[in-house]
Amino acid sequence: NAGVTQTPKFQVLKTGQSMTLQCAQDMNHNSMYWYRQDPGMGLRLIYYSASEGTTDKGEVPNGYNVSRLNKREFSLRLESAAPSQTSVYFCASSDYRGLNQPQHFGDGTRLSIL
Amino acid sequence: SQKIEQNSEALNIQEGKTATLTCNYTNYSPAYLQWYRQDPGRGPVFLLLIRENEKEKRKERLKVTFDTTLKQSLFHITASQPADSATYLCVRGSSNTGKLIFGQGTTLQVKP
Repeated sequence: NAGVTQTPKFQVLKTGQSMTLQCAQDMNHNSMYWYRQDPGMGLRLIYYSASEGTTDKGEVPNGYNVSRLNKREFSLRLESAAPSQTSVYFCASSDYRGLNQPQHFGDGTRLSIL
Repeated sequence: SQKIEQNSEALNIQEGKTATLTCNYTNYSPAYLQWYRQDPGRGPVFLLLIRENEKEKRKERLKVTFDTTLKQSLFHITASQPADSATYLCVRGSSNTGKLIFGQGTTLQVKP
């Protein structure tokens, strides 16, 4: 009963390096999301995928790219990491995209950019 | 802009008491409000959803209210236990973008 699985759990990068955060869900959900969480702030939406084959920008998309690989998997890529991208990243999924849809979250990737 | 405001100060209460957390929103009343629990080092976990016309929703020891006049939702935990210690997030939807807007959360500490 895994739910939403994120890898890796921790990562340290140097400025300018690239990396991909992986996310997979086993609940057959249509919609998936990437958020970042910074101290003293609410979760902020980076990108989302309302359904397989579609992706859209959220509140803070600059410096990120995403790929909805299939219905299960949604990855987040940092092409050239910057210290401002130090954060905790959460992936979430929901049955479909809607304001009344509970979202199911993974346990996050803690990313530090030096 | 549509915002969610939660008390950033931690709430400390004694075991067995009722904890009450406040969530205030701005601008239009959202059609729905959601509440999540987040433990340290973990992702948020969905607890309750309340619709604009429901006024009150209960689930076991949890109760959520929705007051569109005050633009406020209250989240109550009755007979609180140390295991209820966590950060609780209030979430609204944006009528403009169709996306969820998260409050920064209120940390609850229940002392035995």
